[in-house]
Amino acid sequence: SQQGEEDPQALSIQEGENATMNCSYKTSINNLQWYRQNSGRGLVHLILIRSNEREKHSGRLRVTLDTSKKSSSLLITASRAADTASYFCATDAGGGSNYKLTFGKGTLLTVNP
Amino acid sequence: KAGVTQTPRYLIKTRGQQVTLSCSPISGHRSVSWYQQTPGQGLQFLFEYFSETQRNKGNFPGRFSGRQFSNSRSEMNVSTLELGDSALYLCASRLEGGPTDTQYFGPGTRLTVL
Repeated sequence: SQQGEEDPQALSIQEGENATMNCSYKTSINNLQWYRQNSGRGLVHLILIRSNEREKHSGRLRVTLDTSKKSSSLLITASRAADTASYFCATDAGGGSNYKLTFGKGTLLTVNP
Repeated sequence: KAGVTQTPRYLIKTRGQQVTLSCSPISGHRSVSWYQQTPGQGLQFLFEYFSETQRNKGNFPGRFSGRQFSNSRSEMNVSTLELGDSALYLCASRLEGGPTDTQYFGPGTRLTVL
């Protein structure tokens, strides 16, 4: 079953604009990660935020996490055409033998040049 | 370090056949997980192996199986293929006990069942 739900399902913006994607999940988590996927290829890890963190930055990416609302957001600033991809949030509820990622259905981001 | 590699990248099979997919994790990673991605169901966890033992399994029929070798390389097998098994199969490795719990994914194997 899907743990996360991304919103919106699709987003189309112009180059240079910011893109914000949201993710909601249902159960308590250990970490939340964001991945990018280009056209049916493998997943590229973008950023991991732990359940005790509220915000994290990496280059043009900013991720927030609100565990009380069970939600996260990914902000991509100054978008580029190369950012066109599907973006997924993934949660894990524990480590060791219970470790597995549960993914949302993703947001398809299109950045128009 | 080299990333996660998967072979083959593309496969075409017919119903009833079986298939074996291979995954080589990042050097030093002992945890290998497999995921299935389809347009309808999205990304779903298949199973995870650690030190040659299956530690965790998703909700898939017994036709889906896997194994891990002593060098951490992993294979997954699907027997008696069905049309619905057409999917992108992704392998991921993780350094358990490392500073983060990041899973790194391979490029995937695209399986088409005719």
